[in-house]
Amino acid sequence: AQSVTQLGSHVSVSEGALVLLRCNYSSSVPPYLFWYVQYPNQGLQLLLKYTTGATLVKGINGFEAEFKKSETSFHLTKPSAHMSDAAEYFCAVRTSGSARQLTFGSGTQLTVLP
Amino acid sequence: EPEVTQTPSHQVTQMGQEVILRCVPISNHLYFYWYRQILGQKVEFLVSFYNNEISEKSEIFDDQFSVERPDGSNFTLKIRSTKLEDSAMYFCASSTGTGPYEQYFGPGTRLTVT
Repeated sequence: AQSVTQLGSHVSVSEGALVLLRCNYSSSVPPYLFWYVQYPNQGLQLLLKYTTGATLVKGINGFEAEFKKSETSFHLTKPSAHMSDAAEYFCAVRTSGSARQLTFGSGTQLTVLP
Repeated sequence: EPEVTQTPSHQVTQMGQEVILRCVPISNHLYFYWYRQILGQKVEFLVSFYNNEISEKSEIFDDQFSVERPDGSNFTLKIRSTKLEDSAMYFCASSTGTGPYEQYFGPGTRLTVT
């Protein structure tokens, strides 16, 4: 069975500072990995995904994530936080077999301080 | 840009009543999903639907739940006899039939059972 762990349910950064949101996964087969963002009272928006190939993937709004198989990690980063980045971020995994269900982490609430 | 829509945005019902949550997936997508998020908890997979039948379901998706695609555009989740513990945000998602099947989510329906 697959699982996702997001370290830190709440992260605060100052505007302009580096954003680092941590995600570790477990999967018995090569995974597909996703980051979603949820703004208040909105649905889940896909930020970026890793499938195969290049391990550093870029997404929308200046976010990127690096797949590290040896560490079973897929941490999300952004060099410079903006006030508009304040939201909840979810890491999710799907195994590369026929099953399509996503398994989500518990989420990280990002606060950006002025 | 195409998006998944859901109605209603908020539904209040009494325990034991039937509710139907509605979703309009992205038009060229082939796979449809329901997830739920109980307040303060993870987003959990309920069911996936393809070619007019259920392709996967979780342990949560018991006999009180059913899904249907009654026409070419709508995808519904029915809860036959609601319980207090069914109170949650219900998200509909859809994906194409190719690639890593990244899922696009609707804004959710908040179901409150009293």
